[in-house]
Amino acid sequence: GENVEQHPSTLSVQEGDSAVIKCTYSDSASNYFPWYKQELGKGPQLIIDIRSNVGEKKDQRIAVTLNKTAKHFSLHITETQPEDSAVYFCAASKGYSTLTFGKGTMLLVSP
Amino acid sequence: SQTIHQWPATLVQPVGSPLSLECTVEGTSNPNLYWYRQAAGRGLQLLFYSVGIGQISSEVPQNLSASRPQDRQFILSSKKLLLSDSGFYLCARRRAGGRTDTQYFGPGTRLTVL
Repeated sequence: GENVEQHPSTLSVQEGDSAVIKCTYSDSASNYFPWYKQELGKGPQLIIDIRSNVGEKKDQRIAVTLNKTAKHFSLHITETQPEDSAVYFCAASKGYSTLTFGKGTMLLVSP
Repeated sequence: SQTIHQWPATLVQPVGSPLSLECTVEGTSNPNLYWYRQAAGRGLQLLFYSVGIGQISSEVPQNLSASRPQDRQFILSSKKLLLSDSGFYLCARRRAGGRTDTQYFGPGTRLTVL
């Protein structure tokens, strides 16, 4: 089955810096890659996603890039703010199947 | 809107007691529904998913079970809780229509087994 590895497990940045979280997947048939943000005590919230026919997608301060050849995708957050502090999860799926999640990255943004 | 409700929000139960967690979905018909467990505040473990009434797929064998008695209701149960069942339980639904496996999560139930 699919295996998703996520790094780093913890990331500390200063407010205003950029943050990058990376994920690799094992199944070349995977074609959908969402990212979730989970604040303490809440359910994960979808923040951005990308399909395999697209190499990059942006939404304001966040962007996701996908390299199908290398089977990895990354989340980029620019101009980080304290409210960006949360746990971020990447995931992968092959379509009409279940999502396989990474183990999460705790992002800490210091004022 | 396609809202997910989970009940209760928090629960403290003794070891060996039964469990029933409820998930209900609004605004969509015949959704794919999922139960996840999150232990130690981090990774998401898929427990069960359902593509329709009475249809349950189990991902991890354990002392938990799931049922889908109605189109928009998904229930997670146990006859006898273990200490290891403590965690944050999340219900999710697949986005209606489309070709991707986008999932939206409910607010979760925090279960503590003592």
